[in-house]
Amino acid sequence: GAVVSQHPSWVICKSGTSVKIECRSLDFQATTMFWYRQFPKQSLMLMATSNEGSKATYEQGVEKDKFLINHASLTLSTLTVTSAHPEDSSFYICSARSGGLADTQYFGPGTRLTVL
Amino acid sequence: QKEVEQDPGPLSVPEGAIVSLNCTYSNSAFQYFMWYRQYSRKGPELLMYTYSSGNKEDGRFTAQVDKSSKYISLFIRDSQPSDSATYLCAMRGFQKLVFGTGTRLLVSP
Repeated sequence: GAVVSQHPSWVICKSGTSVKIECRSLDFQATTMFWYRQFPKQSLMLMATSNEGSKATYEQGVEKDKFLINHASLTLSTLTVTSAHPEDSSFYICSARSGGLADTQYFGPGTRLTVL
Repeated sequence: QKEVEQDPGPLSVPEGAIVSLNCTYSNSAFQYFMWYRQYSRKGPELLMYTYSSGNKEDGRFTAQVDKSSKYISLFIRDSQPSDSATYLCAMRGFQKLVFGTGTRLLVSP
């Protein structure tokens, strides 16, 4: 199946700093990329949808100035958590949609963010 | 009412059992149906992908979609301890995926 990578896999940072998470589709070009957040023992919560070269569409309740998304190419999207606080600690997962005949979503391995 | 309903479990079965996982949904616009497996602290892994109604088999896994009843199932034959994970159903029309809450499966040796 298609492969999506994320980097870093885990990160610990101090409150007030910014953290960037990269998401790459390794063997296909992604028409659309998605960013999710997952709390322990809960399902995935969609944060935003992004298409290459255009602004991301954020879900209701997600602060666009706090969670900056840049979809620079068909294989790379980044999520920057700005001025992180302990309540931003979570598991962040990206997903890439392949388009074409087998149009489905593949997920990255996730990034665990801990804000001290 | 949620768009997608899924029993959170946990579902405990002995090794070798046949497992049945199910989801119901309310949006008749859903055309694409997927099952993902998620191990603890990992991203979801796509297991099965089905377009519209019907059955699809892949090894020990069989996915069924009944659009008339708005009901989808995933069957796992000869379950193994390594199948212990959370199984998420997901579906969409033309836009974003909608997930079930996930069913936690425990297969004991």
